[in-house]
Amino acid sequence: GQQVMQIPQYQHVQEGEDFTTYCNSSTTLSNIQWYKQRPGGHPVFLIQLVKSGEVKKQKRLTFQFGEAKKNSSLHITATQTTDVGTYFCAGSGAGSYQLTFGKGTKLSVIP
Amino acid sequence: DAGVIQSPRHEVTEMGQEVTLRCKPISGHDYLFWYRQTMMRGLELLIYFNNNVPIDDSGMPEDRFSAKMPNASFSTLKIQPSEPRDSAVYFCASRGGYTEAFFGQGTRLTVV
Repeated sequence: GQQVMQIPQYQHVQEGEDFTTYCNSSTTLSNIQWYKQRPGGHPVFLIQLVKSGEVKKQKRLTFQFGEAKKNSSLHITATQTTDVGTYFCAGSGAGSYQLTFGKGTKLSVIP
Repeated sequence: DAGVIQSPRHEVTEMGQEVTLRCKPISGHDYLFWYRQTMMRGLELLIYFNNNVPIDDSGMPEDRFSAKMPNASFSTLKIQPSEPRDSAVYFCASRGGYTEAFFGQGTRLTVV
């Protein structure tokens, strides 16, 4: 079945440093979504990428979808304490509405 | 809309007891997902429904787990009998087609 791998599992950064998490799928994806889960909370949708090579930005967050539609990344510039949480990627295969989540990257920001 | 509503928020039960988790999806959403979250295994998809019909239940751990969706506004996940290793946070999520998934607040299950 479809597998989505995400690295790193944990990342500790000093406030103001950049942060990147990477996502790789065992199969070609039709689209990929990113979610953020705050401690004690539930996953909340951030963005969806559909096109090969797509890049989208949300303020300090930059999302990329690989040319082969098998990998993706999320980059945060100049992290803030409000960025703390676990970031998940979730992929769907062609013709499937199933969302397979990566294990997430837990981000800690040291003030 | 109040979003995806799950109940109960917390459940503590003894090993061997039956546990029923409930979910009300967002009105109009045609897909409903049940996930289990643990530190070790992350977010695991257990089962998902399309228009109340189970599409893929390959993630259901074993026969002790069952899920139903009798109508478009209600779904249950039942564990019978429960075991300590079932302790986790169970999330229900709904989506309309290829849109974003909306998660409920989750049910934190502890089996002692």
